[in-house]
Amino acid sequence: KAGVTQTPRYLIKTRGQQVTLSCSPISGHRSVSWYQQTPGQGLQFLFEYFSETQRNKGNFPGRFSGRQFSNSRSEMNVSTLELGDSALYLCASSAHRGEQYFGPGTRLTVT
Amino acid sequence: AQTVTQSQPEMSVQEAETVTLSCTYDTSESDYYLFWYKQPPSRQMILVIRQEAYKQQNATENRFSVNFQKAAKSFSLKISDSQLGDAAMYFCAYGDYGGSQGNLIFGKGTKLSVKP
Repeated sequence: KAGVTQTPRYLIKTRGQQVTLSCSPISGHRSVSWYQQTPGQGLQFLFEYFSETQRNKGNFPGRFSGRQFSNSRSEMNVSTLELGDSALYLCASSAHRGEQYFGPGTRLTVT
Repeated sequence: AQTVTQSQPEMSVQEAETVTLSCTYDTSESDYYLFWYKQPPSRQMILVIRQEAYKQQNATENRFSVNFQKAAKSFSLKISDSQLGDAAMYFCAYGDYGGSQGNLIFGKGTKLSVKP
């Protein structure tokens, strides 16, 4: 089976812009979770989608949003980008409880 | 709230030797999962091993094994016969069995170096 894919892999944006990241889960996986990884804060949970519904949400401002489509593909959007949003954004998919498989990540740089 | 602590920011091991990475966690739940993930310089997170809290037997995957002490809330990873390709950041992670199962809580990580 193909693994989790994320596009784009690298992105450079300017403060105030918005960005959309995409994640395609492993075939058959219905749960998609998003994480932000920074050197200072480590890995932090953003949100999880299951069957097109947001099932869990982390402690991030409303500028961070996401959605999931009927084919389980997911997107996350960050509006009004800030310098502190520079990070590696990881997507993970899961078929059942607990075990998550990660994509290669999208490296976002905000200038 | 659940927390995961990795007290060793960096560790080093000689090739072919054995190394143990430490992890402690805090939870009030009785059913949960614990994981070790590896993140090499490529940044791809790779699942190394998984342990369900209700299982008393420690999980093993080839050269990787865990020492799960539920009462002590301790979950260490042992890597035997270390190889150069084992060099990476290792993250310990906790996952709820119930409602928050999509949310893994990670430790800060341990950077493992392998010396030839």
